Amino acid sequence: SQTIHQWPATLVQPVGSPLSLECTVEGTSNPNLYWYRQAAGRGLQLLFYSVGIGQISSEVPQNLSASRPQDRQFILSSKKLLLSDSGFYLCAWSVSGHYSGANVLTFGAGSRLTVL
Amino acid sequence: RKEVEQDPGPFNVPEGATVAFNCTYSNSASQSFFWYRQDCRKEPKLLMSVYSSGNEDGRFTAQLNRASQYISLLIRDSKLSDSATYLCVVYSGGYQKVTFGIGTKLQVIP
Repeated sequence: SQTIHQWPATLVQPVGSPLSLECTVEGTSNPNLYWYRQAAGRGLQLLFYSVGIGQISSEVPQNLSASRPQDRQFILSSKKLLLSDSGFYLCAWSVSGHYSGANVLTFGAGSRLTVL
Repeated sequence: RKEVEQDPGPFNVPEGATVAFNCTYSNSASQSFFWYRQDCRKEPKLLMSVYSSGNEDGRFTAQLNRASQYISLLIRDSKLSDSATYLCVVYSGGYQKVTFGIGTKLQVIP
């Protein structure tokens, strides 16, 4: 069965510090991978998605970046965090393809970031 | 207009009650529809897909109205464990692009 792991679960970082969140998927190959952010009282905002190694699409301009160094690894980074970067970050995967079932997302447990 | 709109609630209902949530979407070309459940401080999890003919899973019934561009979720015989936020999700084109509503919070009261 497929599993998705995301870490760290919680982190508190000062403004201006770097960030690295990691996500790995097991039990599948060539998944579509996503990073979402959920700010307090707001809906999920798609930050990045990837359909393959080295292929990253950004949905919103920001000081965050994403990389996919391996097929089942997705990393979210920042060189300098802002207060507005605080939130609940969720990695997700879906089956690749163009049928309706491919749109079902499975999420990791999330990383809760507080920037002070 | 937002792509996907939901009433954030909260909906406070007694145990055993029937409750319904609606969600409207703006893109008439939307293709796939889902309901996810999110418990407090946890990740969203797929509750059910929504099919054109409507579908049922135990106490949960989902319906799609393409003409009016909304989907609905009906929960019968509410349980305390149903307390959560229910997210409406719409796939509206673009490569694997999925849009989430803000979610409707349900609190089932003893």
